[in-house]
Amino acid sequence: GDSVTQMEGPVTLSEEAFLTINCTYTATGYPSLFWYVQYPGEGLQLLLKATKADDKGSNKGFEATYRKETTSFHLEKGSVQVSDSAVYFCALSGSGGGYQKVTFGTGTKLQVIP
Amino acid sequence: EAQVTQNPRYLITVTGKKLTVTCSQNMNHEYMSWYRQDPGLGLRQIYYSMNVEVTDKGDVPEGYKVSRKEKRNFPLILESPSPNQTSLYFCASSLRRQSNNEQFFGPGTRLTVL
Repeated sequence: GDSVTQMEGPVTLSEEAFLTINCTYTATGYPSLFWYVQYPGEGLQLLLKATKADDKGSNKGFEATYRKETTSFHLEKGSVQVSDSAVYFCALSGSGGGYQKVTFGTGTKLQVIP
Repeated sequence: EAQVTQNPRYLITVTGKKLTVTCSQNMNHEYMSWYRQDPGLGLRQIYYSMNVEVTDKGDVPEGYKVSRKEKRNFPLILESPSPNQTSLYFCASSLRRQSNNEQFFGPGTRLTVL
């Protein structure tokens, strides 16, 4: 079955540091890939997505590129802020030919210190 | 404002006492889903619904029921709650079942079963 593997957290960075959160997946077919963010006390919200190989999703300074050859979708940001402190979830959907079964990773907690 | 609402946000109950967590969306979405979030396990899908009167099991459906009598509402029912159902629950919706559709999440319901 489908699976998503994320790097273990928590990740602690100083403000303005470079961020990478690794995500790899196992799926049949051609899934869509997502990063969701969960701020403290809130539900998840979409951060960015990519729907086919070599697509780059971007939002709020975050980027991730759909790499089919390495089955990866790593999240990056060049300069993190304290307000980026949250839990980040990698997810995939649709490996079964369009049906929206979403598989989430376990989440990576990011803490940014001033 | 487009949103997914859940009630209650917090609930403490005792083993065996039936409860319902309500979920409502105002975006005319076809697809709705329930997840539970547990430390180290990420989000796991409980049940989903592709439209009115169409529901199906997710990955962890045991001990839960759902119904979809109206498009906007998708309540989660625990007929006889047990302590292992203590968790953070999220309702989500998306426009249709296509794999590239973003899911919109409610704020979560934290349930404790004593």
